Amino acid sequence: DGGITQSPKYLFRKEGQNVTLSCEQNLNHDAMYWYRQDPGQGLRLIYYSQIVNDFQKGDIAEGYSVSREKKESFPLTVTSAQKNPTAFYLCASSIVRTAHAVEQYFGPGTRLTVT
Amino acid sequence: AQSVSQHNHHVILSEAASLELGCNYSYGGTVNLFWYVQYPGQHLQLLLKYFSGDPLVKGIKGFEAEFIKSKFSFNLRKPSVQWSDTAEYFCAVNPPSNTGKLIFGQGTTLQVKP
Repeated sequence: DGGITQSPKYLFRKEGQNVTLSCEQNLNHDAMYWYRQDPGQGLRLIYYSQIVNDFQKGDIAEGYSVSREKKESFPLTVTSAQKNPTAFYLCASSIVRTAHAVEQYFGPGTRLTVT
Repeated sequence: AQSVSQHNHHVILSEAASLELGCNYSYGGTVNLFWYVQYPGQHLQLLLKYFSGDPLVKGIKGFEAEFIKSKFSFNLRKPSVQWSDTAEYFCAVNPPSNTGKLIFGQGTTLQVKP
């Protein structure tokens, strides 16, 4: 089955700890994205990558870091510098087409709770 | 600031009622538009999209949306909702000259009563 997997589904951490969220895709997509979903705020873009070994900050990158060493994988680290890390995190992927946008495909999400 | 706005945050309808969810954006130029749906416990999935051509776009499960350029709007409609349409709906815009990014609205929670 082709798709995007995110693990774990639920994650609990103590304040002050860094935590890494996994995102893997087998759709052969070049582009991958990380969003944060909070009630009443929709999805906000954290980071995105359109090619291996390259990534760009989204609208709310502060306190987060990413890497893109492999096409299939785009892990997100929530650092202790993120002031409000408790949220639902969604990973997405898409092909890259220069003429216009294409739809993004989403994973099931990871719900992170930091106490 | 440039943005995407969904006017209704929470909508409650009875089965067979008609649905219209508003979406407005503030970007000038050529945009690409999307509606996504998130059913309870499921992945976010694409309902429909507009890139060019006929401004009335048909999507899955009987949904449609109309792009009105002069009003910067892309409202989602369904003539007769079902209980299974209960979900959260997100409008998203790909801003001009940026093929990668999607800017999402705040989302609308639709509750359909049987």
